[in-house]
Amino acid sequence: EIVLTQSPDFQSVTPKEKVTITCRASQTIGNKLHWYQRKPEQSPKLLIKYASQSISGVPSRFSGSGSGTDFTLTINGLEAEDAAAYYCQQSNSLPVTFGGGTKVEIK
Amino acid sequence: EVQLVESGGGLIQPGGSLRLSCVASGFTFSIYDMHWVRLVLGKGLEWVSSVAAAGGGTYYAASVKGRFAVSREDDKNSFLLQMNSLRAEDTAVYYCVREDYGGHINAFDIWGQGTMVTVSS
Repeated sequence: EIVLTQSPDFQSVTPKEKVTITCRASQTIGNKLHWYQRKPEQSPKLLIKYASQSISGVPSRFSGSGSGTDFTLTINGLEAEDAAAYYCQQSNSLPVTFGGGTKVEIK
Repeated sequence: EVQLVESGGGLIQPGGSLRLSCVASGFTFSIYDMHWVRLVLGKGLEWVSSVAAAGGGTYYAASVKGRFAVSREDDKNSFLLQMNSLRAEDTAVYYCVREDYGGHINAFDIWGQGTMVTVSS
């Protein structure tokens, strides 16, 4: 099973600041890494697929990068509505696995 | 509108059984691989099970293998999870999830609203 390690677990950020979340895979997964956002009381929502591909309807301040074992989700200019938990997920092999999540709080 | 709607959650005693249902609308259900993913409150997301399109295989997380059974009824746009021998650690919000079309295991592009399963005496 591929283990995904996310960091940090929690981040308290001022609006307009830049947020960087990292996800490290226990073995190489190419670009088969996806990012999700889960706001309180809502279902998860796909933000970025295949490490860096944007999703229609997702604000352009969200971007992803990386390949192999190290990946990054960046939020350029945090907005209040971005308060949420963020998860990475690998689809290189079954079982599909998720990172432990990063909770982003607005200061 | 593309939509997944789950039902069937509830409070159940340890050792009991529950059947979750997911009804899809707004897309050609039969061509998509479908998954169940659960959110353990205070912890995180865990993939539970999946069934491939077009008579493909079924797959399970080690934690539920032998206790859960997944199936689909394409004529009813329906996706099911039969959960037996439930344990306290199965307590979670269960999401019905569509996998993006094409290739081998893609991103999960559509999520249902979730249904809560609580296993407690």
